[in-house]
Amino acid sequence: GAVVSQHPSWVICKSGTSVKIECRSLDFQATTMFWYRQFPKQSLMLMATSNEGSKATYEQGVEKDKFLINHASLTLSTLTVTSAHPEDSSFYICSARGARGRSYNEQFFGPGTRLTVL
Amino acid sequence: GNSVTQMEGPVTLSEEAFLTINCTYTATGYPSLFWYVQYPGEGLQLLLKATKADDKGSNKGFEATYRKETTSFHLEKGSVQVSDSAVYFCALYDNTDKLIFGTGTRLQVFP
Repeated sequence: GAVVSQHPSWVICKSGTSVKIECRSLDFQATTMFWYRQFPKQSLMLMATSNEGSKATYEQGVEKDKFLINHASLTLSTLTVTSAHPEDSSFYICSARGARGRSYNEQFFGPGTRLTVL
Repeated sequence: GNSVTQMEGPVTLSEEAFLTINCTYTATGYPSLFWYVQYPGEGLQLLLKATKADDKGSNKGFEATYRKETTSFHLEKGSVQVSDSAVYFCALYDNTDKLIFGTGTRLQVFP
C-alpha cells in the first residue's frame, strides 16, 4: 500500500524559533500533498494544499508567512512553522495523493507530528 | 457548503457489543464517502470507502453503506473488540477536491 512518513514525530521548541516538518511519500509519487492541523479532541482542519513545483494554496485564515510550505519534489513536502509561539502547539498531519490512475481521489496520511512550543 | 455531521461521543461499549456510529452529509453532486480511524497518538488510517450510491464499504468487520436517499454513511460493526477503541472520522471528497471531515467520534470498548 501507499506509505507516507513524517519527521519528526514530535518536537519541542522554544518560543520564537522555527520548526520544519517533513512529509514523504515512500513508495509513490505524490503530485499533491495536504497539510492539516488537529487540536486536542477535534477534527482535522485543512491548512493548505500543495502541488509539486508550484506555490501552496492556503485555506482562509491560515497565515502563509507563518506556515511556509514547500513541495519541491514528487516525494517530499515540508511545513515550516516560523517564529513559533505556544498557540502554534498542535498535531500536524500531512497527506499525499498520487497521480491519476492510482486511487486519485484517495489521500494517504502520515502518522502526524506533535509540536509543543514552550 | 458541503459538510459532514457525526454523532457526538464518546461511545462506550462492552466487548462484543454491536456498534453504530451515525454519519450524515450535505453535498452537491455525488461525493465519495470515507471512514477513517485514528488510534491514540497516530495519524489517520483509511478504514473503508464508497464511491457511489448503494455501495457498501467493508474492512476488518466494519461496514458502511452509501445511502443517497438519506444522505447517510453510518458505520457498523457486529462485535467490537477492545482494540477497536479509537476515534472514527467520517469524511467526504467533494467537487472542490478536498476532504471534508466530521468532528470525529471517540469509541471506548471495555472488556
